[in-house]
Amino acid sequence: GAVVSQHPSRVICKSGTSVKIECRSLDFQATTMFWYRQFPKQSLMLMATSNEGSKATYEQGVEKDKFLINHASLTLSTLTVTSAHPEDSSFYICSARPTGNWENTIYFGEGSWLTVV
Amino acid sequence: GIQVEQSPPDLILQEGANSTLRCNFSDSVNNLQWFHQNPWGQLINLFYIPSGTKQNGRLSATTVATERYSLLYISSSQTTDSGVYFCAVERGLYNFNKFYFGSGTKLNVKP
Repeated sequence: GAVVSQHPSRVICKSGTSVKIECRSLDFQATTMFWYRQFPKQSLMLMATSNEGSKATYEQGVEKDKFLINHASLTLSTLTVTSAHPEDSSFYICSARPTGNWENTIYFGEGSWLTVV
Repeated sequence: GIQVEQSPPDLILQEGANSTLRCNFSDSVNNLQWFHQNPWGQLINLFYIPSGTKQNGRLSATTVATERYSLLYISSSQTTDSGVYFCAVERGLYNFNKFYFGSGTKLNVKP
C-alpha cells in the first residue's frame, strides 16, 4: 500500500525557534498533500492544503506566516513552525493523495509530536 | 463547511462483542473514508467507501449517500481494535481536495 513518511516523529524545541517537519510519499507521487493539527482527545483540524509547485491554501484562522508550507517536489512537503511558542505544541500530521488515484484515497504519515518549551 | 457527526463518542466493549459506529454528514460528498487511529497516533486507512458496502475481514462498512450516513461494523472485537475511529468526507465540485473529519468514536475493547 501507499506509504507516507513523516519526520521527525517527536521534537522538542525552545520558544522562539523554528521547527521543520517533513512529509514524504515514499512509493507514489502526490500533487496534493494536507497538513493537520490534532489537539489531545480531539479530531483532526485541517491547516492547509499543499499543492506541488504552487502556494499552499490555508484554512481560515491559520497564520500562513507562522506555519510555512513548501511543496517543492511531488514527493515532499514541509511544514515549518516559525517562532514557535508553547501554544504551538501539538500533534501535526500530514496526508497525501496519490496522483492519478482513481479512488481519491488519502494516506497519512505517522505524525509529529511538537513540544515547545 | 460540511458537518460530520460521529456516534457514539465513546464505546466500551468486551472482547468478542460486535459494534456499529455511525457517521452522519450534512451535504453530498464524493469521497468518504474510515480511519483507525492507534494509540501512537498513526492513522490507518480502513475503507474508501463513498457509497455501497465493503468488507475486510472482521470489518465492514456501508455508506448510503442519498441519506448521508455511513456505518462501520466491527465483529468479534479484539483488544487491538482499541483506538479512535474517524470518518472523513470530501465534498464534491468546488471543495474538492478538502477533507472534513468527524469528532471520532473512541473504542476501548477490554479482554
